[in-house]
Amino acid sequence: GDSVTQMEGPVTLSEEAFLTINCTYTATGYPSLFWYVQYPGEGLQLLLKATKADDKGSNKGFEATYRKETTSFHLEKGSVQVSDSAVYFCALSDHGGATNKLIFGTGTLLAVQP
Amino acid sequence: NAGVTQTPKFQVLKTGQSMTLQCAQDMNHNSMYWYRQDPGMGLRLIYYSASEGTTDKGEVPNGYNVSRLNKREFSLRLESAAPSQTSVYFCATGGATFSTDTQYFGPGTRLTVL
Repeated sequence: GDSVTQMEGPVTLSEEAFLTINCTYTATGYPSLFWYVQYPGEGLQLLLKATKADDKGSNKGFEATYRKETTSFHLEKGSVQVSDSAVYFCALSDHGGATNKLIFGTGTLLAVQP
Repeated sequence: NAGVTQTPKFQVLKTGQSMTLQCAQDMNHNSMYWYRQDPGMGLRLIYYSASEGTTDKGEVPNGYNVSRLNKREFSLRLESAAPSQTSVYFCATGGATFSTDTQYFGPGTRLTVL
């Protein structure tokens, strides 16, 4: 079945450092790909998405490109801030069936130090 | 416009007790979902409702039941709680088509079963 694998954390960076969180997927169809972010004590918020190969999703300085040839959707940010500290989830949308179901990676905790 | 709301925010149960988690949305979405979040496991789908009047099992349905009361409301019931059901529960809503596959999450219910 479809699955998502993302790098384990925690990832600890200093403010203004470059961020990469790796995500790869396995899917039989043509899924949409997502990054969600979860701040402490809160629910998940959509950070960005891409719906087809070579699409780039971007939001709040974060970017990820849908790479079908490497089945990857790595999250990057050029300069992280303390306020970016959160758990980041990579997910894909399984479009089979009566509705869309999300399949999540295990999440990566990012801690940014001043 | 509250989005997705969940009640209660916190709950402590004893083994064998029952409870219902409530979820309501004002986003006019057809589909609603219940997930549980456990450390190192990401989010796993418990049940979903593609549209009003339908419900289906997800990845981890054992020990749970659901009711899609109307388009706005989707409840999750634990008939006889077990310590293995200690988790954070998230409700989400979204569309059923390819172009509406983004899901929007509530703030979560933190459940402890003693």
